Amino acid sequence: AQTVTQSQPEMSVQEAETVTLSCTYDTSESNYYLFWYKQPPSRQMILVIRQEAYKQQNATENRFSVNFQKAAKSFSLKISDSQLGDTAMYFCAFMKTFGTDKLIFGTGTRLQVFP
Amino acid sequence: EPEVTQTPSHQVTQMGQEVILRCVPISNHLYFYWYRQILGQKVEFLVSFYNNEISEKSEIFDDQFSVERPDGSNFTLKIRSTKLEDSAMYFCASSARLDSPLHFGNGTRLTVT
Repeated sequence: AQTVTQSQPEMSVQEAETVTLSCTYDTSESNYYLFWYKQPPSRQMILVIRQEAYKQQNATENRFSVNFQKAAKSFSLKISDSQLGDTAMYFCAFMKTFGTDKLIFGTGTRLQVFP
Repeated sequence: EPEVTQTPSHQVTQMGQEVILRCVPISNHLYFYWYRQILGQKVEFLVSFYNNEISEKSEIFDDQFSVERPDGSNFTLKIRSTKLEDSAMYFCASSARLDSPLHFGNGTRLTVT
């Protein structure tokens, strides 16, 4: 069975600084997807970034980038130039490529950006 | 940008009562999901639905739960006889294809008293 672990329950960062959120996962699959979702106080789950396991290049979306280490089963999220609006819960999630369409989530990291 | 909408935003019910949580997925999406998040815990998969039938369900999704797509736009989750431990945030999600990202709604907070 697949598992996703986020070992940092809470993180804080000053506005304009950079922060990295950690995520590790366990799977025997070779093809899969990894995601970071953001859940602000408004409760909505918002997709931040997605990585296909077969791609060696790390995904980037504006200020958000990942460090995907397939051998180490690590998938960290880097937020550059942090903004107050980045304050939220961040969930790492895993999905197998074939045979199932369910997301498996980690327990989340609460990020506080302060001025 | 199209959104997944969920109603109501908050539902309070008494133990043993039936509740129906409603979702309107994005119109051209074909795959539909329910997830739940008990307060302070991680988001858990409940069920996925495609082509008018359940494609996968978790062990949480027992006989008290059911899903339905009664018309071309709504996707509902029914809990037949609610228990205190059903109190949670319930998220609906949809996706266009099996391998495309899920789009989540804002959730329905269910409180069972």
